Amino acid sequence: QLQLQESGPGLVKPSETLSLTCTVSGDSISSSYYYWGWIRQPPGKGLEWIGSTYYSGSTYYNPSLKSRVTISVDTSKNQFSLKLSSVTAADTAVYYCARIPLTARDFDYWGQGTLVTVSS
Amino acid sequence: EVVLTQSPGTLSLSPGERATLSCRASQSVSTSYLAWYQQKPGQAPRLLIYGASSRATGIPDRFSGSGSGTDFTLTISRLEPEDFAVYYCQQYGGSPPWTFGQGTKVEIK
Repeated sequence: QLQLQESGPGLVKPSETLSLTCTVSGDSISSSYYYWGWIRQPPGKGLEWIGSTYYSGSTYYNPSLKSRVTISVDTSKNQFSLKLSSVTAADTAVYYCARIPLTARDFDYWGQGTLVTVSS
Repeated sequence: EVVLTQSPGTLSLSPGERATLSCRASQSVSTSYLAWYQQKPGQAPRLLIYGASSRATGIPDRFSGSGSGTDFTLTISRLEPEDFAVYYCQQYGGSPPWTFGQGTKVEIK
C-alpha cells in the first residue's frame, strides 16, 4: 500500500525558509516510472503546482516560484524534500506531496497534507 | 501557460441528479494528460479520471470523463451523498507543465 507522508515545521517566520520532507513507503522513489511532486493549497483556495522531481535529480519548477524553490531527492531514505525561501504570509498553505506516473502525468497518490503558516 | 477555466463555479443539485462539469483550456491539451480530482473538506484531492476518460482505481462508474482539444467534461450520472465536494481539472504540458483549474463546487440543493 503506497503511502506518502509530509513532515516539517507548521510555523515559519516571514523571510525564513520553509522546509518539508515527503517520506514514501510502499514504493521505491528510485522507480523509473514516476515523478514526485509538491502541490500547495492556500486556505479556502485552489491547488497550485510547486515543482516536481525525478529519482535522477532532474527538477521542474513553477516559474512563479522558481527563484525561491529547491526540490531534492534522497533515494537512500526514500524521501524527497521541498525548500521555499524568503517566505511571506502568501505562502501560508496546506502543502501536499504526490506521485506522478510518467504515462499520465497526473497526481495519482497524495500525502494527507501539512499546514504551514507563515507568521512572526 | 495553459489556463484551465472550470464552470460553473458552483453547481447546486439534489442526490440522484446528473452533474455536468466543464473544463476549458486556453490552448489545446493532449487527452493523455487531462485529469480530474475530487476534494472533500480537510482531505487531500483524490484522482478520479486520467487520460481525459479513464477511471482511476476504485472509482465508481457513475463518474465519466470526456472531451478533447480545449473542452473537457466530467459527468456524474447520479449524484450520491458522498459526491458533494469540490472538483478540479488538471493538465500537463507547456510552461508551467502542470496546471489546475480553479475548481467547481458541487453542493446539495
